[in-house]
Amino acid sequence: AQRVTQPEKLLSVFKGAPVELKCNYSYSGSPELFWYVQYSRQRLQLLLRHISRESIKGFTADLNKGETSFHLKKPFAQEEDSAMYYCALSGHSGGSNYKLTFGKGTLLTVNP
Amino acid sequence: ETGVTQSPTHLIKTRGQQVTLRCSSQSGHNTVSWYQQALGQGPQFIFQYYREEENGRGNFPPRFSGLQFPNYSSELNVNALELDDSALYLCASSSHIGRYNSPLHFGNGTRLTVT
Repeated sequence: AQRVTQPEKLLSVFKGAPVELKCNYSYSGSPELFWYVQYSRQRLQLLLRHISRESIKGFTADLNKGETSFHLKKPFAQEEDSAMYYCALSGHSGGSNYKLTFGKGTLLTVNP
Repeated sequence: ETGVTQSPTHLIKTRGQQVTLRCSSQSGHNTVSWYQQALGQGPQFIFQYYREEENGRGNFPPRFSGLQFPNYSSELNVNALELDDSALYLCASSSHIGRYNSPLHFGNGTRLTVT
């Protein structure tokens, strides 16, 4: 079974402070991990995926298979980073199935 | 590039009724997925359609059904509505070519309220 856990429902930081949004997963195979973000009044959109190994808007996330984690990090938070963040997992079960299992989300608030 | 569009944006139905939600996929995408997002929860996978056939299903009863049309647009049908079906229903499209799946692009969702 696939499971994604985001332990923090709410996270509040000050502008310029480092931020880390935690994500742990449970999956027996080789997963693909994603972070999706939803800004106020906007649709859910992809922020980054682990296979790309890229930094988007200053955010990075490293897949740690030993700790089954995919934490999202940014060294200096900006007010425009305030949004709901969802961690998601895709377990390739063969064929073209692309089911995503989402965590419950973390609402990040960056205060001025 | 046209994004994913969903209709209607809001809907109120009575318990026991049936509802149809619609989705137009992003241009160039051939796969459509549907998700249910209850209040305070992350999106939950309902099913996916590829080449007009269901291609994967989550833990939802058979009264949740769907269609995909030749132009890749899709419908989600829910029969015998229950109060717990009240949620935001999200449609997402992607491109499947060979073993490659592009990331999902989501619509704004349809807010369904069952009274």
